Amino acid sequence: EVQLVESGGGLIQPGGSLRLSCAASGFTVSSNYMSWVRQAPGKGLEWVSVIYSGGSTYYADSVKGRFTISRDNSKNTLYLQMNSLRAEDTAVYYCARMGDVLEWLYYFDYWGQGTLVTVSS
Amino acid sequence: DIQMTQSPSSLSASVGDRVTITCRASQSISSYLNWYQQKPGKAPKLLIYAASSLQSGVPSRFSGSGSGTDFTLTISSLQPEDFATYYCQQSYTLFTFGPGTKVDIK
Repeated sequence: EVQLVESGGGLIQPGGSLRLSCAASGFTVSSNYMSWVRQAPGKGLEWVSVIYSGGSTYYADSVKGRFTISRDNSKNTLYLQMNSLRAEDTAVYYCARMGDVLEWLYYFDYWGQGTLVTVSS
Repeated sequence: DIQMTQSPSSLSASVGDRVTITCRASQSISSYLNWYQQKPGKAPKLLIYAASSLQSGVPSRFSGSGSGTDFTLTISSLQPEDFATYYCQQSYTLFTFGPGTKVDIK
């Protein structure tokens, strides 16, 4: 059974740093595309970052240069390092596995339960 | 960047109603379009991928159609468990979600 469990959220002051973790089971993180998606309180979904199975990484413009996605293959865990945090980064952060149709179309097929990050002084 | 819009932003409907939600992309995305359902306090759930393919385990009352820039999600007969917010999402160029459509009880 595929499971994703996020951790590492909490209250952090503006300008601070936080690292989120997403422990996976039931599949191999390094063999899949993996993403972080966030949702500000009462708002819609926003894609944040992706790491491809080959290791390439991409980011939304809103976090580029501040956030870094990575994975630890030995721990089968995905990470999101968040630096220079701003109030507008306050959100529930979900990790998501990406399924595909013959490697041409990708979708978010499994999601974690989310971890809340609150940026406030 | 590809922008996604959805209409309506919210709708009220009754059990048994046929519900249609529209999603539009700012440029052609072929069939690179997915739909999700999200209930309060829960993670989103994949309903439809590649515009019209039903995800395993999703009831057949859900269907998707469209290609290019215009897409629709249809619920043929609304059930009590379908009251939720629905999001479209493109994967033609990286990933973008639509703003969502909230379906609530009339």
